[in-house]
Amino acid sequence: DGGITQSPKYLFRKEGQNVTLSCEQNLNHDAMYWYRQDPGQGLRLIYYSQIVNDFQKGDIAEGYSVSREKKESFPLTVTSAQKNPTAFYLCASTLLGERSEKLFFGSGTQLSVL
Amino acid sequence: ILNVEQSPQSLHVQEGDSTNFTCSFPSSNFYALHWYRWETAKSPEALFVMTLNGDEKKKGRISATLNTKEGYSYLYIKGSQPEDSATYLCAFYGGGTSYGKLTFGQGTILTVHP
Repeated sequence: DGGITQSPKYLFRKEGQNVTLSCEQNLNHDAMYWYRQDPGQGLRLIYYSQIVNDFQKGDIAEGYSVSREKKESFPLTVTSAQKNPTAFYLCASTLLGERSEKLFFGSGTQLSVL
Repeated sequence: ILNVEQSPQSLHVQEGDSTNFTCSFPSSNFYALHWYRWETAKSPEALFVMTLNGDEKKKGRISATLNTKEGYSYLYIKGSQPEDSATYLCAFYGGGTSYGKLTFGQGTILTVHP
């Protein structure tokens, strides 16, 4: 079955450590997105990519980095510069990144700080 | 950052009640309005994508309307069932500097009591 796989489901970060969240899709979608959810807030866009080897900052990109070396993969690194990383992270994709296309989501990663 | 507001923040209804929620968004540079349902321990799933003023969509007991001139959308659930309990998210796809990304509201948490 086609879908989006995020791993790990739970992740713990120590102070000063960089951690990477994995997102893989086998839907042959061009566009991929990373969102962050905090309690009581909507999903906020961190980074998005509409084509391999290209990506754009979203609304809250500071302290995060991404890469898009393969169409099916869009890993997110939470760097030590992100001072409040505890949140639920969702990866999503759409076929071409156009307005009428619904997002397909992964099951998310809960990141906590030790 | 665009302002997308949902109301109410949470709602408790009895099984069989009909209910509705509101999503407010900018009335300029409108491209599309999305509705998603997010059940606990699952991934968000798309309900509707609407692109034209006056659009009305229906899926079973759930329907949605769109007014782009005044910047709001309503989601209606007729005869609520316990399985309708979820967080309902709307998301605005705009043009200009926001082109290419969805901005989400904070969601409405619906609880349907048997």
